[in-house]
Amino acid sequence: KAGVTQTPRYLIKTRGQQVTLSCSPISGHRSVSWYQQTPGQGLQFLFEYFSETQRNKGNFPGRFSGRQFSNSRSEMNVSTLELGDSALYLCASSLADWGETQYFGPGTRLLVL
Amino acid sequence: GESVGLHLPTLSVQEGDNSIINCAYSNSASDYFIWYKQESGKGPQFIIDIRSNMDKRQGQRVTVLLNKTVKHLSLQIAATQPGDSAVYFCAERNGNEKLTFGTGTRLTIIP
Repeated sequence: KAGVTQTPRYLIKTRGQQVTLSCSPISGHRSVSWYQQTPGQGLQFLFEYFSETQRNKGNFPGRFSGRQFSNSRSEMNVSTLELGDSALYLCASSLADWGETQYFGPGTRLLVL
Repeated sequence: GESVGLHLPTLSVQEGDNSIINCAYSNSASDYFIWYKQESGKGPQFIIDIRSNMDKRQGQRVTVLLNKTVKHLSLQIAATQPGDSAVYFCAERNGNEKLTFGTGTRLTIIP
């Protein structure tokens, strides 16, 4: 069974631009979570989607948004990029319910110049 | 609020020795705990998990211990190998709330 895939793997943007990242969960997994990872802050939870509905949300500004499609694939969008948004963005999927093991993708490394 | 913290940010262990990575958590309501391993340039990889109704769980060369009395979690890796060098994260979850990660411990295996 294929693992979690994320595209693109690397991205360079400039301040003020917007970016859309994509995540395809493991086949059969219905929950997708997004995390931001930086050296200074570690792994920070962004949001979690289940059956196309946002189930949990972290403490990030409204510039960060996401959605999930009927096939469980998910996208996250960051508008008006800031230098501090440079990070590794990780997607994780799990079967369904809370407490289920989350499996991570390789991440998208975003650099904002 | 909840916090998950690691006692040591770095740990160096001789190859073949056992290693223990510790983690403290503050939310006594957390009922699910998990350890991840992250190698350079990769996403976190699931190692082992444990629910609050257990105090010990074993996997292949790894053991997780949960002490709810003192809110402490540990990961034991037996007979460490060079491939065990990575950053290890603990995480906790309360019901259907978000998974909260610790800051990570960098484990270095000395040949």
